[in-house]
Order: sequence, then structure tokens, then C-alpha cells
Amino acid sequence: AQSVTQLGSHVSVSEGALVLLRCNYSSSVPPYLFWYVQYPNQGLQLLLKYTTGATLVKGINGFEAEFKKSETSFHLTKPSAHMSDAAEYFCAVSDWGNTGKLIFGQGTTLQVKP
Amino acid sequence: EPEVTQTPSHQVTQMGQEVILRCVPISNHLYFYWYRQILGQKVEFLVSFYNNEISEKSEIFDDQFSVERPDGSNFTLKIRSTKLEDSAMYFCASRDHEPYEQYFGPGTRLTVT
Repeated sequence: AQSVTQLGSHVSVSEGALVLLRCNYSSSVPPYLFWYVQYPNQGLQLLLKYTTGATLVKGINGFEAEFKKSETSFHLTKPSAHMSDAAEYFCAVSDWGNTGKLIFGQGTTLQVKP
Repeated sequence: EPEVTQTPSHQVTQMGQEVILRCVPISNHLYFYWYRQILGQKVEFLVSFYNNEISEKSEIFDDQFSVERPDGSNFTLKIRSTKLEDSAMYFCASRDHEPYEQYFGPGTRLTVT
């Protein structure tokens, strides 16, 4: 069975500061990993994904994440936070060997202070 | 850019009533999903649908729930007799065979009173 744990339900950073959102996964098969962002009253938008190949993946809006198999982690980073980054962020793992459903973490709310 | 659409955006219903939530997935996608998000909680898988049949359902997806793809474009979720605890945001998603990322609709907020 697969699972995702996001450490920190709430992260607060100052504008211009580094953003680090943590995600650890458990998977019995090589994982396919995703980060989604949810702005208030909106749906889920794909930020980036890891399936195979390069372990450092770049996404939209300046975000990137690194797949570390040894640490079973897929942390999301952005060098410099912008006010518009304030949102809920979800890490997910795909049950790709079965139906491809996504298993989500609890989510992390990112607050960006001016 | 193609997108997943959902209607209505907000549905208010009384306990015991039937509701149908509608989704139009991206046209060439083959796999369809419903998820729900109770306020303040994580997104939970409900059901997956492929080749005109349910491929997997979660424990949440009991006999009160059903899904249908009545034509080549729509994908519906029906709740036969709503309960207070069905109040949530319901998301539809679709994907192609590969890659595995899913594209989500904007959601339908269901409020059961």
C-alpha cells in the first residue's frame, strides 16, 4: 500500500525567503510522485511530477522538487517566495501499477508574509 | 488548453435527497476519477472508471454512490440519499494512458442540510 506524509500542516515564510515543503512517501513499487497546488476556492493544479529519469524536476511558477529514493522524500522548494504562492500544497503518489489513482498527503498551507 | 469542467459549482440539498454531480473530462482521456475533500481535510479517492466500468472504489464509495458515463463526454457521480457527512468538495479528474498525471476540475461544493 502507498501513503504520503507531509510534515507541517502550516508553513509561514517571508516574501523573498526560501520555500521548503516536505513530503515523504511509502510505496511498494517505484513511485510516481506529484505536487499539486490549490488556491482558495479553486481546483487542484499540477505543479510538477516525477516518474522516471532525472531526480530533480522543475515545475511551474519556479518550483522544483527532488526525488530522493534513499530518504523516500520528494520535498518541494522555491528559492524566493512570492505573495501569490500563498495556497494549499498537496503531495501525492500514484497507484500506477493498478488504476493510477492518487493518494494524497494531508496538505500544507503556505502563508507568505510581506 | 483543454480542461476538465464540472457543474454545478455549488449544490445545496436536503438530507435524503438525490444529487447528480456532472463532469466533462478532457476529450481524449481514458481514465476518470472522483475524489472528495471534506473541509480542512485531505483529498480522498472515491472511484476510478475505465473502459465503461468501475476499476476501483474506496470504502467511502458505498451503495449510495454510483458513477456513469452516459455518452462520450459526460461523467457523473450520483449520491442516492445524501447524508450530512456527504458535505464536501467533489473533484473530477481525468488522465490519458500515459503520462500518469491527472487533470482536475474546479470541483463541486456539495452542502447537505
